[in-house]
Amino acid sequence: TQLLEQSPQFLSIQEGENLTVYCNSSSVFSSLQWYRQEPGEGPVLLVTVVTGGEVKKLKRLTFQFGDARKDSSLHITAAQPGDTGLYLCAGKKTGTYKYIFGTGTRLKVLA
Amino acid sequence: DAGVIQSPRHEVTEMGQEVTLRCKPISGHNSLFWYRQTMMRGLELLIYFNNNVPIDDSGMPEDRFSAKMPNASFSTLKIQPSEPRDSAVYFCASSEDRQGRTDTQYFGPGTRLTVL
Repeated sequence: TQLLEQSPQFLSIQEGENLTVYCNSSSVFSSLQWYRQEPGEGPVLLVTVVTGGEVKKLKRLTFQFGDARKDSSLHITAAQPGDTGLYLCAGKKTGTYKYIFGTGTRLKVLA
Repeated sequence: DAGVIQSPRHEVTEMGQEVTLRCKPISGHNSLFWYRQTMMRGLELLIYFNNNVPIDDSGMPEDRFSAKMPNASFSTLKIQPSEPRDSAVYFCASSEDRQGRTDTQYFGPGTRLTVL
């Protein structure tokens, strides 16, 4: 059973466009992370959100944790080819140590 | 800092052979995770060590898989005998867990395993 569903699965856009990736679950998480993974490499942590409704910004990337801590979104403004990669969300339930990874969104930004 | 080191980076073997994957975590990190990534199942946690002790191995697929962490700077994941369905990218990650702090996992570059 996949606890974290990401949408869309695949996204191909032109440089300069905006996009939003969603991470949804029926479970409540104490914290949620977003990673980016490039081909041939391991995932790299972008951000951790822990409070319902929390918004964090990392340059052109905006991350939001849902009020109920069941979902999250990642918005990229003016996408660049360097944003290309696999984006993964990962949630940790209260009282546990491990993060469950989402299904992933594969983004390709064309120059 | 060299980050998490994994070896080999690529492994091609035949069905039935024993495969050993190696990981050196970041110095000072007390938690180590082994993951498997496939297109079909995504990134799955196999086993978690804390202070060299296996805490949760519920993600290990079956008895053919075993993992050890003899000391704080080295861990192995062994598959014996290997099967074609074990083909995947295996990642090792480490973190420094302290009470009250959100842990950050640092992933290695992975080992791409192909079982023919």
